[in-house]
Amino acid sequence: DTEVTQTPKHLVMGMTNKKSLKCEQHMGHRAMYWYKQKAKKPPELMFVYSYEKLSINESVPSRFSPECPNSSLLNLHLHALQPEDSALYLCASSPGLLLTGALQIKPQHFGDGTRLSIL
Amino acid sequence: GENVEQHPSTLSVQEGDSAVIKCTYSDSASNYFPWYKQELGKGPQLIIDIRSNVGEKKDQRIAVTLNKTAKHFSLHITETQPEDSAVYFCAASTGSSNTGKLIFGQGTTLQVKP
Repeated sequence: DTEVTQTPKHLVMGMTNKKSLKCEQHMGHRAMYWYKQKAKKPPELMFVYSYEKLSINESVPSRFSPECPNSSLLNLHLHALQPEDSALYLCASSPGLLLTGALQIKPQHFGDGTRLSIL
Repeated sequence: GENVEQHPSTLSVQEGDSAVIKCTYSDSASNYFPWYKQELGKGPQLIIDIRSNVGEKKDQRIAVTLNKTAKHFSLHITETQPEDSAVYFCAASTGSSNTGKLIFGQGTTLQVKP
């Protein structure tokens, strides 16, 4: 079983809805990630949080809004999504070590994702 | 930009045979190379990783080799079993600013026939 828990497992929403995806880990990791994965494709990085601060935004449209309320939780707020946003959204975490402003590379551990469908 | 190429895209082997998946990366500053296994309906699971100061690493039936000069690394699975059937992704860290960002290969669908 994965130690990164994502809820909900499935989500269907209309283009005018507002919803949130949640991710939780209790491994003491200080770096957390959001990825988007389309069918038969590799994960694509969206956001990275390091020590609860946003460190990377891969030019993601503003209809996706991340939030890291504390070191164990990561949210992704969704608003006015498009059909092409339908995908598997994966959360990952890794032990972060702040070393001269950079993350020491540590293994990333993924949750099982939220399958999002936009009607 | 940085790129990771992965081959083959599909691989079918008989149970008990070995399977080899190869990846090539473009960023000479990459120094961390994980391999992930993704089963249907699940997230990617880290199965083995290697850092640039090591040429080979083994964990039971799984091994990874790294050739920094040629910028390629490979996953070797011996004595394959049906439960090894999954999609496998290689990845390489981007060297710039050591942000923890990974570049993934396109994936290999491995089928192990009983």
